Order: sequence, then structure tokens, then C-alpha cells
Amino acid sequence: QKEVEQDPGPLSVPEGAIVSLNCTYSNSAFQYFMWYRQYSRKGPELLMYTYSSGNKEDGRFTAQVDKSSKYISLFIRDSQPSDSATYLCGTSNYQLIWGAGTKLIIKP
Amino acid sequence: NAGVTQTPKFQVLKTGQSMTLQCAQDMNHEYMSWYRQDPGMGLRLIHYSVGAGITDQGEVPNGYNVSRSTTEDFPLRLLSAAPSQTSVYFCASSYSYQGGTYEQYFGPGTRLTVT
Repeated sequence: QKEVEQDPGPLSVPEGAIVSLNCTYSNSAFQYFMWYRQYSRKGPELLMYTYSSGNKEDGRFTAQVDKSSKYISLFIRDSQPSDSATYLCGTSNYQLIWGAGTKLIIKP
Repeated sequence: NAGVTQTPKFQVLKTGQSMTLQCAQDMNHEYMSWYRQDPGMGLRLIHYSVGAGITDQGEVPNGYNVSRSTTEDFPLRLLSAAPSQTSVYFCASSYSYQGGTYEQYFGPGTRLTVT
């Protein structure tokens, strides 16, 4: 079993929809959780990070961590075609452990 | 502030050739790392460094060498290229907290093809 599991997709939704991207992890010692966005043929860029449980909001993006179920989520409100990218989740307890990435397609 | 830079952007090698991928950062980050990214496999850690003179192996180190003589630079050497090393290579850096890494900043990547 991988330490961080993430559905590779692709996930295709219409413009304006609320998008939910999810990861599960296996090690309860993980405390730091991150979401990265990667456009095609580019390097990953840090989108948001959270420490321990709870929510963090930044504009249209909300990151949520549920440590009791070892579940991390990224919500995108009012999705735009420019949000089309691969989203990678990562968690760290000394070293970064990555999910495989979910490809998101927002249809105009 | 250029962030993390990588050269070259693209490279084609023949089996058995050697080459060095360059990585530099100007953020004074202690931690630097090399990943390879293959379709469906996410980011896999090759080697990492927590400071000048200190390097360690990651998940997939075979066939690669690194050294870190300065804080800014972290080159990755392919010793004898194999078709299995065809991939996209990313360099990343971060501050180091007690020897660990958290939010990392990535370079634009090097696309390597080995024929």
C-alpha cells in the first residue's frame, strides 16, 4: 500500500462547478499537508499547505485535513478553464511523500 | 529572484552516454532534491541534500550521482544513460526544519530522452 493514495483521474467538470480533489494517507504521524498544481510541461507550484487538522481558505481554494480518517481534500469553487492542471497532494513528516496526482479538466 | 533554475530544458542521449543536469537556487535554501516524474507514477525522489557537503539517497538512486559543494548548486549526474532513465527531471529546494523538508519550490524541469 502506498503511503499517499490519489486517484489519477482524469476528472472532467463543467466551468463554474465545485471541484473536490482528495487524497488518503496511511501514517498518522504526518502533520504537514500540501497541495501543488502542475500545468502541462511545467514544474509543480505550491498552492496551499496546512498543518494538522482543519481548513484553510485562499480565494476560491479550500484545503481540508481530517486526521481521524486520514483524508485530505482540496475544494475549488467557481472552477475556471485555467484551473485545468494536475493537482498533487503531499505530506511531510521529515520527508515529503507524494500522491500520484489527479488530472483535472474544466470544460468551458 | 530567479527561484530554482534548471539546465538544459531538453536533452537526448544515446545509451551509455553520461551527462550532468544542472540545478541552482537563489533562495538560500538548505534542502535540495532531485525527482523524476513518469506517467502514472508521480514524483519519485532520486537524491537529496540537507546542506553543502551532505547528500543522501532517495527512493530511486541507482544510476545517478550527486554532490553539493555550495548552498546554491545541486547537479545530478547520469553515469551511463539507459532507456529506463527517459523521464522528466525536477529539482526542488526548501528551507530545512530540523533536517526535514516541508513546502518545496520546483524548477521548470529537464525532459530527458535516452535512445
